[in-house]
Amino acid sequence: AQTVTQSQPEMSVQEAETVTLSCTYDTSESDYYLFWYKQPPSRQMILVIRQEAYKQQNATENRFSVNFQKAAKSFSLKISDSQLGDAAMYFCAYRGRTGANNLFFGTGTRLTVIP
Amino acid sequence: GAVVSQHPSWVICKSGTSVKIECRSLDFQATTMFWYRQFPKQSLMLMATSNEGSKATYEQGVEKDKFLINHASLTLSTLTVTSAHPEDSSFYICSARYNGRDGGEQYFGPGTRLTVT
Repeated sequence: AQTVTQSQPEMSVQEAETVTLSCTYDTSESDYYLFWYKQPPSRQMILVIRQEAYKQQNATENRFSVNFQKAAKSFSLKISDSQLGDAAMYFCAYRGRTGANNLFFGTGTRLTVIP
Repeated sequence: GAVVSQHPSWVICKSGTSVKIECRSLDFQATTMFWYRQFPKQSLMLMATSNEGSKATYEQGVEKDKFLINHASLTLSTLTVTSAHPEDSSFYICSARYNGRDGGEQYFGPGTRLTVT
C-alpha cells in the first residue's frame, strides 16, 4: 500500500526567507503523481504544485518549487521569499496512474510565517 | 482552476436525525467524486469514491449504511449521514476529478462542518 510521510508536524520561517518542507513516500508503482496541497485556516484545499514521476525536471510554480528524488522516494517543497499568506497546513499527496487513483495524503506540516 | 461547491458550509443537527451534504462541480463534469473526513489538526481521511451512475466504493471501516453516497449526475454527489451521533461531528470535504488536459486533477470543495448535538 502507498504511504506518505511528513516528518515535520510544524515548521516556522521568517517572512521573506526560504523554508523546505519534507515528504517521503513508499510505492511499488513506477509512474505516479505527487502533489503539495495547502490548507489555510479557511480549510479550503488548494493545489500548490504537482510533479509527474516520469518527468525528471523538478516542478516550479513561482515561489514554490520541489526537489523530487525518485530513487530516494523523496518530494520536498521549497517556499522562497515566504509571505504571511503562506501560513497554512501543507499536505503532501500521492496518486498512482492506475487502479483506483485515490489521493493518499501525509499527516501534514503546519507552517507559521513570522513577520 | 475548476470550482467545486459544497452545501451547506456548516450544519448543526440533533442526534438521531439525518443530514445531507451536496457537492457540485460548477464548471466541469466530474467523472469521479471523493468524500473525505477531517478531524481537527489531522489529515484527510478518504471515506468513499463514487463514479457517476454507479455505487460508491467505501474505504475499510466506513459504514456504507450510515454514510450514504449518491452520484446522480456528472456534476452532483451527495453524502447523507443517517441517524447522526455526536461522534459523527467532523469536517467533511468533497473532491471532484475530471480527466481533462491537465491529467485528471482533483479539485476540492470548501468543506462542511457537521456538529451533532
